[in-house]
Amino acid sequence: DQQVKQNSPSLSVQEGRISILNCDYTNSMFDYFLWYKKYPAEGPTFLISISSIKDKNEDGRFTVFLNKSAKHLSLHIVPSQPGDSAVYFCAASATDKLIFGTGTRLQVFP
Amino acid sequence: DTAVSQTPKYLVTQMGNDKSIKCEQNLGHDTMYWYKQDSKKFLKIMFSYNNKELIINETVPNRFSPKSPDKAHLNLHINSLELGDSAVYFCASSQWTGGLEAFFGQGTRLTVV
Repeated sequence: DQQVKQNSPSLSVQEGRISILNCDYTNSMFDYFLWYKKYPAEGPTFLISISSIKDKNEDGRFTVFLNKSAKHLSLHIVPSQPGDSAVYFCAASATDKLIFGTGTRLQVFP
Repeated sequence: DTAVSQTPKYLVTQMGNDKSIKCEQNLGHDTMYWYKQDSKKFLKIMFSYNNKELIINETVPNRFSPKSPDKAHLNLHINSLELGDSAVYFCASSQWTGGLEAFFGQGTRLTVV
C-alpha cells in the first residue's frame, strides 16, 4: 500500500527553465509534507516543507505547492541549475513517522 | 564535521552471518531512526528511538535488533543475514519524534551473497 506516490521516475530539464516535480498521496491524515534531495552515495538532505494548513511555501528558487483536495503536491525549481541534478523524494508525515515516495530523478542539462 | 555518521559505508557478507552497522549523531537530537532503501528504491522506516527508548518498530523481522546505548548512538545488529536483506540502510536523526526535517547519514550498502 503505497501512500505517497511519485509517478514520474525521471525528469530532464534545460538549465534556466522550470523543473516541476509531482507527488500524490492517499492518506488524508497527513499533516506535513517535505521534499528531500539525494545525490549518489549520500543520504537524503532536507530541502523544503509545507504544513497542511498552507498551500504554498517558498524558499529561494524552491517552491512547494499543496492541493489538499486533490491530495497532490509539487516542487517547483526556478531557475533550474545543473547542481540541482539529483533524486528528489517527496515525504509525508502523520504524527510520528515519514512516509517516502520512490523518488524522481531530475537531470538539468546545459 | 559530519552531523550523522554511519559505518561501514559498504558491507559485503555471506548468508547466515551476523553483522552490525553503527550510527552516531552530533546534533544533540533526541530521536534517531533506521531506514531501509530496497532495490525498488522504496525508503521505509524500520525503527525510531527517542532518547534511547524504542518508539517505532515497523514490522521488521526479529533478526534486526537496534541498540541505543545513549541518545547520540543507534546501532543496528542483524542476525542470520538473508539475501533479501541486501539494501541500503540509512540512519537519521531529528530534534523530536516525528521525523520532520530529519538529517540522514550517508547510508550503508549491505550486500548479502
